[in-house]
Amino acid sequence: GENVEQHPSTLSVQEGDSAVIKCTYSDSASNYFPWYKQELGKRPQLIIDIRSNVGEKKDQRIAVTLNKTAKHFSLHITETQPEDSAVYFCAASKGNAGNMLTFGGGTRLMVKP
Amino acid sequence: DGGITQSPKYLFRKEGQNVTLSCEQNLNHDAMYWYRQDPGQGLRLIYYSQIVNDFQKGDIAEGYSVSREKKESFPLTVTSAQKNPTAFYLCASSPGTGYTGELFFGEGSRLTVL
Repeated sequence: GENVEQHPSTLSVQEGDSAVIKCTYSDSASNYFPWYKQELGKRPQLIIDIRSNVGEKKDQRIAVTLNKTAKHFSLHITETQPEDSAVYFCAASKGNAGNMLTFGGGTRLMVKP
Repeated sequence: DGGITQSPKYLFRKEGQNVTLSCEQNLNHDAMYWYRQDPGQGLRLIYYSQIVNDFQKGDIAEGYSVSREKKESFPLTVTSAQKNPTAFYLCASSPGTGYTGELFFGEGSRLTVL
């Protein structure tokens, strides 16, 4: 089955700096890659996703890149703010499996003011 | 408001007892999921259901059971056979088979075995 590795497990940045979280996946058939943000004590929420027919997607300060050949994808947050502090999860799934997501282990991002 | 409701939010259990976690959704979604969240291990799939009266085991189904008698309800029972049940449990839903997109999560239930 699919295996998703996520690094780093914790990341501390100064407010205004950029943050990058990286994930690798094992199943070359995976074609959907979402990122979820989970604030302390709250439910995970989708912040951005990318499908295998594109290499990059942006939404304001957040961007995701995908390298299908190397089987890795990354989340980039620019101009970080204290409210970006949370746990971020990457995930992967195959198109024919709908939302059968395999999640990475999570990254705790701390943005210091 | 449309969404997913999990209850209870906190639950304490003695060893050897079964407990049932409730998950209800009013989003008219066909698919529902149960995940377990442990520190540093992300979310792991316990069971999922693509349609009423049908469900499948996920990656860590041992010691758990589910039912799907109604579209809007997908309760999870943590049985005494589950060796390490203390964890945070998340229920989720999505429109259904063939849909690939956002999973809608509940607020979670934290189970502690005393």
